Amino acid sequence: GAGVSQSPSNKVTEKGKDVELRCDPISGHTALYWYRQRLGQGLEFLIYFQGNSAPDKSGLPSDRFSAERTGESVSTLTIQRTQQEDSAVYLCATRGGRNTGELFFGEGSRLTVL
Amino acid sequence: SQQGEEDPQALSIQEGENATMNCSYKTSINNLQWYRQNSGRGLVHLILIRSNEREKHSGRLRVTLDTSKKSSSLLITASRAADTASYFCATDAVGSARQLTFGSGTQLTVLP
Repeated sequence: GAGVSQSPSNKVTEKGKDVELRCDPISGHTALYWYRQRLGQGLEFLIYFQGNSAPDKSGLPSDRFSAERTGESVSTLTIQRTQQEDSAVYLCATRGGRNTGELFFGEGSRLTVL
Repeated sequence: SQQGEEDPQALSIQEGENATMNCSYKTSINNLQWYRQNSGRGLVHLILIRSNEREKHSGRLRVTLDTSKKSSSLLITASRAADTASYFCATDAVGSARQLTFGSGTQLTVLP
């Protein structure tokens, strides 16, 4: 597609349930990032994929969070046993082959945990 | 911890005035970028300035970079109500495999 696509755009779930968020990158973009943004706050780095290299998972806040990406394809962010503090917008961003330059962001997935 | 920190956290100006936002960072960088985020939307790239550049212009935007002070500023001239958004700086740190760490943002409100 023309841009980074994220789904679902909105997700309301009950505490304790698992959720899966999806990111479709721009074709050919090797680098993919997940960020979390709480209401009125800045972006909190979660995880970074670069091609087939081992991902940088240093930003994942707990072992309830995991993410997958195969090659340069779709990425999924999974949150298990959701908690109310997981409520946030989850943003995916990608960039092209050169590891400098701008990030292209999706519109985000807004997660609300009741 | 956040690499980039913007100030002010919030800025309210009248249409037609200039808006200046500042960003400070902690480590050596390859480049610094500014992004804009409208409420409820994703971020949009505005401008990138490399570590060997001191000033860059794009339309009504002017960015400066002072690597000795580890700071950058974003100036929006002749502001419009449509410029109302949050503005974030992001640093691409030297030696960082992750790259691009975002600050906490400045919320700009331009009053008509």
